[in-house]
Amino acid sequence: RKEVEQDPGPFNVPEGATVAFNCTYSNSASQSFFWYRQDCRKEPKLLMSVYSSGNEDGRFTAQLNRASQYISLLIRDSKLSDSATYLCVETSYDKVIFGPGTSLSVIP
Amino acid sequence: DGGITQSPKYLFRKEGQNVTLSCEQNLNHDAMYWYRQDPGQGLRLIYYSQIVNDFQKGDIAEGYSVSREKKESFPLTVTSAQKNPTAFYLCASKRQGGDTQYFGPGTRLTVL
Repeated sequence: RKEVEQDPGPFNVPEGATVAFNCTYSNSASQSFFWYRQDCRKEPKLLMSVYSSGNEDGRFTAQLNRASQYISLLIRDSKLSDSATYLCVETSYDKVIFGPGTSLSVIP
Repeated sequence: DGGITQSPKYLFRKEGQNVTLSCEQNLNHDAMYWYRQDPGQGLRLIYYSQIVNDFQKGDIAEGYSVSREKKESFPLTVTSAQKNPTAFYLCASKRQGGDTQYFGPGTRLTVL
């Protein structure tokens, strides 16, 4: 089983829609979790950290479920500019593991 | 401005040649990383360094070499032993004990 798994998509959603991505991880000792965004042919950029209590940043909400070993990202009111690949990341000590990414296309 | 720089942005080389990719950071981060990304794929770790003069192999180190003589610099050499070197190479850094990696803009290497 891969350490971090994501549905590759693509997710094609209309503008204004709400879309959710899940990511599962296998290492129960993982310490921290993040969502990164990667635009086509660009470097990944940190979108947000993920905490057990959940955290929200504008239209984006991230949640961690340690019992089931998954994290989620919810995007509300999708914009065209949200089109990108979303990478799930987990860290334990100094080891950083990236998921393969989920592709999102927001269409007019 | 603080950040990570990689050069060049695009690099072409002939088969059988070694090539070195540059990565510099002025964030005063201790840890630096090299990843490779192939089209439609995730990031795969090549090498990483937690401290000057020390580095460890990642998941796909064969055909690559690195050095860490200065805290700010972590160059990656793609040798002729790397069988399929055409890819997007990303450098990242992280402060010791921190969680978040910051990435450079990447170098797109094409072997002709």
